[in-house]
Amino acid sequence: GEDVEQSLFLSVREGDSSVINCTYTDSSSTYLYWYKQEPGAGLQLLTYIFSNMDMKQDQRLTVLLNKKDKHLSLRIADTQTGDSAIYFCAAPSGGSYIPTFGRGTSLIVHP
Amino acid sequence: DVKVTQSSRYLVKRTGEKVFLECVQDMDHENMFWYRQDPGLGLRLIYFSYDVKMKEKGDIPEGYSVSREKKERFSLILESASTNQTSMYLCASSSPRGRGGNQPQHFGDGTRLSIL
Repeated sequence: GEDVEQSLFLSVREGDSSVINCTYTDSSSTYLYWYKQEPGAGLQLLTYIFSNMDMKQDQRLTVLLNKKDKHLSLRIADTQTGDSAIYFCAAPSGGSYIPTFGRGTSLIVHP
Repeated sequence: DVKVTQSSRYLVKRTGEKVFLECVQDMDHENMFWYRQDPGLGLRLIYFSYDVKMKEKGDIPEGYSVSREKKERFSLILESASTNQTSMYLCASSSPRGRGGNQPQHFGDGTRLSIL
């Protein structure tokens, strides 16, 4: 399997919560990141969590980290059409200081 | 705010041409990176640099080279462009690894390169 895995697609209704999941293999103590990519643009840093934390909340965004299971999730509350984008998880891999990106989850928000 | 600027948003070149993609960052970051992004494959690291004149191969360096003559500028070179190098190219920069681990990468808007 890959070092950082995400499901490729998620479809939600406007106003619902979205949960994007990511699993990784490396247990290094470091930061884990979520990036957002809108069409035709580069990646924008959305939020991050350090590996000794379980949860981080930032307005509509909640990051949950289960270090034992190496599972990271991003919850977006009250999802809006402007949240439609590709979301990338970035986690440590192979002991490198350069994070490895998942393949990205395309979030589609419909009315 | 960190600004990473890629010289072109769109570029069309012909097979066999030598192609230069330029990237400049304004935050005095030591680390700079070049990725390519293809549908369904995510981001793949081509080359990175952790200091001026230093470079390291990433996961897919074949067919590419890089140049880092100044701290703020990192160039990606396609020595002889081929159609399979048609892709979105993303440049990023970051601070050195701190006590907390790897630092966040800041990305440019990307260059969509087409090789005909």
